[in-house]
Amino acid sequence: GAVVSQHPSWVICKSGTSVKIECRSLDFQATTMFWYRQFPKQSLMLMATSNEGSKATYEQGVEKDKFLINHASLTLSTLTVTSAHPEDSSFYICSTDGGGSSYEQYFGPGTRLTVT
Amino acid sequence: GIQVEQSPPDLILQEGANSTLRCNFSDSVNNLQWFHQNPWGQLINLFYIPSGTKQNGRLSATTVATERYSLLYISSSQTTDSGVYFCAVDPAYSGAGSYQLTFGKGTKLSVIP
Repeated sequence: GAVVSQHPSWVICKSGTSVKIECRSLDFQATTMFWYRQFPKQSLMLMATSNEGSKATYEQGVEKDKFLINHASLTLSTLTVTSAHPEDSSFYICSTDGGGSSYEQYFGPGTRLTVT
Repeated sequence: GIQVEQSPPDLILQEGANSTLRCNFSDSVNNLQWFHQNPWGQLINLFYIPSGTKQNGRLSATTVATERYSLLYISSSQTTDSGVYFCAVDPAYSGAGSYQLTFGKGTKLSVIP
């Protein structure tokens, strides 16, 4: 299966600052990546679809000006949480389809964000 | 949107016991996957199974697409099986190649020695 990495694995930042999270596909070229958010003891919720070379598509209720997504290359997508607040504290996970002919998704290890 | 219901929400097993986790979904799907989320949050792919039956060691899964449910079987459970098991689907009505997964709420499994 596809290998997806994320960096950093955890980050603590102060309220009002911005944080960038990187998602990399290590062994294939990913034209599409997905960003999910998971609050404690809850399920994963899709935030946005990141498309290489074009604008991201955001799910309803997700603020595109707050969660900036850039997919500048076929191996890297970034999620920037701008002007972070404590309610943005969450576990952020990216995924991609692995470039195969099936619909199978592969997930990164996640980034735990804590905003103080 | 598509509804995904998992049962039971919580399950406690004695080591060595067998279990069955269920996932019901409300519409036809292109994709159905089972994941195990470990204590560090990593989602581990268990099965890609939009239909049919697959087995991998002590784990097996069956999806009956016409009846819109999937089952995950864990045999001879071990303490390392503990964690949350998620079922996730990509609805067919979203169009070919959407790859967008909707997750169930998960089953939290605790295996005690």
